[in-house]
Amino acid sequence: DAGVTQSPTHLIKTRGQHVTLRCSPISGHKSVSWYQQVLGQGPQFIFQYYEKEERGRGNFPDRFSARQFPNYSSELNVNALLLGDSALYLCASSLAQNFYNEQFFGPGTRLTVL
Amino acid sequence: SQQGEEDPQALSIQEGENATMNCSYKTSINNLQWYRQNSGRGLVHLILIRSNEREKHSGRLRVTLDTSKKSSSLLITASRAADTASYFCATEGYNTDKLIFGTGTRLQVFP
Repeated sequence: DAGVTQSPTHLIKTRGQHVTLRCSPISGHKSVSWYQQVLGQGPQFIFQYYEKEERGRGNFPDRFSARQFPNYSSELNVNALLLGDSALYLCASSLAQNFYNEQFFGPGTRLTVL
Repeated sequence: SQQGEEDPQALSIQEGENATMNCSYKTSINNLQWYRQNSGRGLVHLILIRSNEREKHSGRLRVTLDTSKKSSSLLITASRAADTASYFCATEGYNTDKLIFGTGTRLQVFP
């Protein structure tokens, strides 16, 4: 069975541009969470989506948005990119909404903003 | 901001030795989890301990939780070179819908 997949693997953008990152959860998983991991730090929670609705939001500006589709895949959108948005963006899926369930992480998308 | 703070930031040991990492957090939690990350890739879930549990084992891993001190420890026994990775604690806060990660401990196990 396939794990969590993310695309693209790497991405280079310039300041002010927009980016869309994609995540496909494990089959049967209805919850998708997004995290930003800056080099040398732990992942920071951005969003959780469950059954296509936003269930949790971290301390990120409105430039960050996400959505979940009927097949439970998800997109993370970041507008007006800043240099500080350079990071590894991780997606995790799980069976249910709460975090008692094991989170399965994808390999991440490494975003570089120049 | 991150809730968990891990200690030490880095740890180097020889194969066969035990490795202990500590995590402190700030607010009441539902559960605490430990994850491993190899070379900046995706994280792998290791173990979850609920707020009403004090100790949990999984293979060579032993996790303790002291909610009165808001701290947890991860012990890896008989370490192997393959255990070389960064280890993170993560907490689900009480009445929150967030999973908050700590700063991580970088473990290096020398053969």
